[in-house]
Formats: sequence, C-alpha cells, structure tokens
Amino acid sequence: GESVGLHLPTLSVQEGDNSIINCAYSNSASDYFIWYKQESGKGPQFIIDIRSNMDKRQGQRVTVLLNKTVKHLSLQIAATQPGDSAVYFCAEPNYTGGGNKLTFGTGTQLKVEL
Amino acid sequence: ETGVTQSPTHLIKTRGQQVTLRCSSQSGHNTVSWYQQALGQGPQFIFQYYREEENGRGNFPPRFSGLQFPNYSSELNVNALELDDSALYLCASSWGEDNEQFFGPGTRLTVL
Repeated sequence: GESVGLHLPTLSVQEGDNSIINCAYSNSASDYFIWYKQESGKGPQFIIDIRSNMDKRQGQRVTVLLNKTVKHLSLQIAATQPGDSAVYFCAEPNYTGGGNKLTFGTGTQLKVEL
Repeated sequence: ETGVTQSPTHLIKTRGQQVTLRCSSQSGHNTVSWYQQALGQGPQFIFQYYREEENGRGNFPPRFSGLQFPNYSSELNVNALELDDSALYLCASSWGEDNEQFFGPGTRLTVL
C-alpha cells in the first residue's frame, strides 16, 4: 500500500552544523506533506509544511525541499542546536473517507553532539 | 490558550482488562483524533471525532472505541487488552476536520 517512510533511523551531528533529514513517499498523487518534531515525553509538534506546487519552503532555521520526480522530501536544519535533538517525522494528511488522517513515517532520531 | 491535555500520564494494565484514556482538546477546537505510537515507530491513526461523531477510522479492531462529548473532550476505550496494545496513545485536536492538528503529550499504556 501507499506509505511515507524515512531512509535513516538515527542522525548524529555536531552543534552548529547543518542537519538534513530525508523522507521518501510512494504515492505520486500526494500533494501535501508536514514535518513534525517529537521531543522525549511530548507529542509531535508541527515544524513546517509544503504543498506539491512548491519545490522549497523556508521557515526559521528550517527548509523543506520537495522533489516530486523522485518522490523525496528533506528537512534541513541550519546551525543545529542541542534543543533540536528529537525524533523527526514526515507525515502526509489523508482525506479519503472524511476527516484528516495523518500517515507518519517511522522517524529519524536527531542527536546533537556538543 | 490551553493546549491539549491527556490523562493519565502513565497506566499499567494486565491482558484482558479494559482501559479508558481521556483527552481535553485545545480551547476552540471541535475535532479530536487519536493515534497509537508503538516504541520506535511513528504514530498510527486510530480514529477521529468531529462534532461528537466518528469521522474516519484507521485499521484498528472494534475493541478500540471512542466518544466525544459536547465540550469536545474525548475518550478512547480499549477492551480485552493485548500485549501489543502497549504504546503511547496520542490525542490531537483541531478546529475543523481538515485543519492542523495539535498533539497532547500522550498516555503511556503498558499491558502486562
């Protein structure tokens, strides 16, 4: 079936470096993606989203890139800080059958080394 | 503005028992969605409630049921607990069924 998944389970970066977290999707009709951050003991928190009519979207220290040709998106975090340590998920809303059902990938654990 | 709250924080049950988890939606939100997150996995959609009616359901058996109350708070009930039900149960609220979902901190359920 259709799925949203991630390439790497764990990513370790040095404080101050840039982080890149990748996500692959399989449904070519997918048109909207959301990145979430989940810190230990907390629920997922919205970071940034992107629609399929865009290739790139920037937020505060974060950038999401969408490559529809290869069905891949990435989350880039500039100047990674210790507070960025968390699990990051890409997710896709599914409106089939009514309502908004989010389909999450497995997640990438980002560890920031001092 | 009060965020999404869930109770209890942690819960331990034995196989075969029943459990009720509670969620208070963020102020002004009328839609509640429930997700199950197994250890090391992403959340999986259980169901959504909009204006007190179930509005979409994921691939979960009927022993997972829910309610939404007139104040938009919600309950998740799980009957005949199985070991595989051990997970973090997340509640998310939104204004309307199609809008951004805001997650609570979750309830950690352990089934022994």
